[in-house]
Amino acid sequence: AQTVTQSQPEMSVQEAETVTLSCTYDTSESDYYLFWYKQPPSRQMILVIRQEAYKQQNATENRFSVNFQKAAKSFSLKISDSQLGDAAMYFCAYASGNQFYFGTGTSLTVIP
Amino acid sequence: EPEVTQTPSHQVTQMGQEVILRCVPISNHLYFYWYRQILGQKVEFLVSFYNNEISEKSEIFDDQFSVERPDGSNFTLKIRSTKLEDSAMYFCASSEGEVPNQPQHFGDGTRLSIL
Repeated sequence: AQTVTQSQPEMSVQEAETVTLSCTYDTSESDYYLFWYKQPPSRQMILVIRQEAYKQQNATENRFSVNFQKAAKSFSLKISDSQLGDAAMYFCAYASGNQFYFGTGTSLTVIP
Repeated sequence: EPEVTQTPSHQVTQMGQEVILRCVPISNHLYFYWYRQILGQKVEFLVSFYNNEISEKSEIFDDQFSVERPDGSNFTLKIRSTKLEDSAMYFCASSEGEVPNQPQHFGDGTRLSIL
């Protein structure tokens, strides 16, 4: 069964600093996608970044980048130059076929 | 930018009653989804819907649940005979094409409270 594990329920970072959120997953599939979603207090989940498993190159979106280690089944999110607006719950997600599996989330606090 | 809209934002219902949660997906999207998030827990997939039928559903989506696209714009989730453990945030999502190739767009959610 596919599972997604986020071992850090809470993280904090100083404004302008860099933080890395961890995610591991378990699957027997070879073709899948991985995502990071952000859920601010307004509740709507917003896609931050996604990675196709067949691509070796790590995905990057502005200040957000991932470290995808397929053999280790690890998919961490790095946020550079953290901003106050980055404060939110961050969910790691795995998708294969038409189903998504989410982790339990990491609550990120940004300290001014 | 087009958005997925959900109504109501908060629904309070007596245990045993039926409840319908409503969603208006983005107009050119063809795939629709419902997810549930119990307070403090992870988001859980319930069901996906395409071409007027369920394409996939999770173990959570039992006979108590049903989905419908009654009029070409709304996408509803009906929960019959609600239980206390149905209290959760329910998120609707839509995508233009099949996930995960196409990104999902989520609504703000409906908070369902069962008394």
